[in-house]
Parts: sequence; structure tokens; C-alpha cells
Amino acid sequence: DTGVSQDPRHKITKRGQNVTFRCDPISEHNRLYWYRQTLGQGPEFLTYFQNEAQLEKSRLLSDRFSAERPKGSFSTLEIQRTEQGDSAMYLCASSLLPDTQYFGPGTRLTVL
Amino acid sequence: DAKTTQPPSMDCAEGRAANLPCNHSTISGNEYVYWYRQIHSQGPQYIIHGLKNNETNEMASLIITEDRKSSTLILPHATLRDTAVYYCTFSGTYKYIFGTGTRLKVLA
Repeated sequence: DTGVSQDPRHKITKRGQNVTFRCDPISEHNRLYWYRQTLGQGPEFLTYFQNEAQLEKSRLLSDRFSAERPKGSFSTLEIQRTEQGDSAMYLCASSLLPDTQYFGPGTRLTVL
Repeated sequence: DAKTTQPPSMDCAEGRAANLPCNHSTISGNEYVYWYRQIHSQGPQYIIHGLKNNETNEMASLIITEDRKSSTLILPHATLRDTAVYYCTFSGTYKYIFGTGTRLKVLA
């Protein structure tokens, strides 16, 4: 257990539905990252927050994706109008300054 | 973007040393080499990182070549629980770029 928690661990949804995932980082970590991982691939960077500011968004993050980190604590990742191609493991990580990232257990999304 | 190259798979006998290579020829002078591993269906687990010098911790040793274009992760006495996908990556700021990693299988 790294101290980073994610909820839910598994989510099954139907195409077209909206889903929201939550990440709680290690409490003193000011940086929070979201990655996506598909079968057989390494994690792919999606977006990154320093405190409450979202500082970079990957081009993988289409307009249907939005992430927030209110008050610089937990973060949410919302996917609107889900598509089957969104099926993946969504990983959250946190770090203190530009340092080692600690990953949560991930949320596995299945879009039917 | 940062890019690493690793062999897709390796086998190692239980109790023997596992040596996992990684090429990172585009690494910059201020970028650290990081190693993570991922056991099935779990999030990546941090193992070790280094800049120039060799590093050792309770999990592994990291050997970085003098030109910093490649590194080797050493698990000194592999156990069955070390079976996982091992990723090397590097980052000087904030973003990790992962490749497909090396799938290490430790054999009894």
C-alpha cells in the first residue's frame, strides 16, 4: 500500500454513460498525476496537477475527459459519453515536488 | 518525449540474480532514471532511481553506465514474488514516459 487510494477499483458502464473516478494522494504530496493503461502497454500520461492547478494535459485527453483537483487535495477524473475505447486501467500517482511518483491501485473501467 | 528500450521478456531461476537492461540514449543530464514494477492488476510499484552513481536499496541495485545511456536493474536473489513487468523510465521534471517494459518470470 503506497498511501494513494483510488475509488472505485472497478467500474462497468454502458457506452454513452458518464463515469467519475476519485484519487486521494499521499497527504503531503502537492503533485498529482493521472495515467491510463491498456492491456499489454505501459501507463500513458494523461494530466498533471501541482496543488490545484492543472499544468499539462496530454492530447490523449479528449474533450470528453475532465480532471479537477479542488483545494489541492483529492482529484476526480470524469469521462463523459464513454466509448468502448475508453476501457482501460486509470492510474493515479502523487509526488512531493519533482520526485518519485507513488501510484495507487488503479480503477479498471469496462465500457460495454 | 523520453523513450526507453527494454527486452520484452526474461526468465530467471529462483535464487539467482536477475539483471534487467534498459537503453535510454536520449536522457538529459539532469534527468533521473527510475525503475518500477507492476504485478498483475496492481499499480506500478517504485523500486529505485538514480542520476549518475550506482544505487542500492533493500529491493534492488541500479547500475548506470558512465555515459548514462543505459542502465541495469539487479535483483540479487530473485524470488517467485518478483515475477512482474519491470519498467524503466526517466524524468527531470514531472512526466514519466513508460515503454512496454520487461516481463520477468522467476522460475522455481
